[in-house]
Amino acid sequence: DSGVTQTPKHLITATGQRVTLRCSPRSGDLSVYWYQQSLDQGLQFLIQYYNGEERAKGNILERFSAQQFPDLHSELNLSSLELGDSALYFCASSAGLAGGPYNEQFFGPGTRLTVL
Amino acid sequence: AQKITQTQPGMFVQEKEAVTLDCTYDTSDPSYGLFWYKQPSSGEMIFLIYQGSYDQQNATEGRYSLNFQKARKSANLVISASQLGDSAMYFCAMREGRLNNNAGNMLTFGGGTRLMVKP
Repeated sequence: DSGVTQTPKHLITATGQRVTLRCSPRSGDLSVYWYQQSLDQGLQFLIQYYNGEERAKGNILERFSAQQFPDLHSELNLSSLELGDSALYFCASSAGLAGGPYNEQFFGPGTRLTVL
Repeated sequence: AQKITQTQPGMFVQEKEAVTLDCTYDTSDPSYGLFWYKQPSSGEMIFLIYQGSYDQQNATEGRYSLNFQKARKSANLVISASQLGDSAMYFCAMREGRLNNNAGNMLTFGGGTRLMVKP
């Protein structure tokens, strides 16, 4: 158990809909990262938050947005869903500099999104 | 150009034998970190081992070791004494740049290698 929690575990929805994925980082971790794992694109970085502020953006579509709240949990919002958005969405957290040289990212169990 | 390349989509290894999973990377940044993660069929990502670009010694963690050849830009994972539970997808990943709290630190992943351990 990495200490990172994600809900829901599975999500099935229809094209055009909007969903929200939730992530709670490990206790004390200030950085949250969102990744998408799909058959087409592999594992790719979407967006990073550090202590409530957006710090880096990757290949995140404009239809997707995220935020990190004062209690450090994060939400990833996906709207106008398309079939191609079906994927496993991971949240990861790290301690930043306080975590030492590794700054390893601890991954949550993921949310499997299926768009029908 | 791919930043992380894993050329072996799938591999078989006999139980109790050693296996090497290949990873090559591409970066112009002198400071970077290389990670290996394991993803079993259940889907979670499990951190295995880390190698920093300035580390003089190859990293080791139990049965996992990293064969780091900086000049060749390769960071191969060696698993000794394979076990049935090692059957999984293995991902090589890179963090470019100095570790900092401001930005970056995100990981770039390779396409993965599916390892299957035969009894």
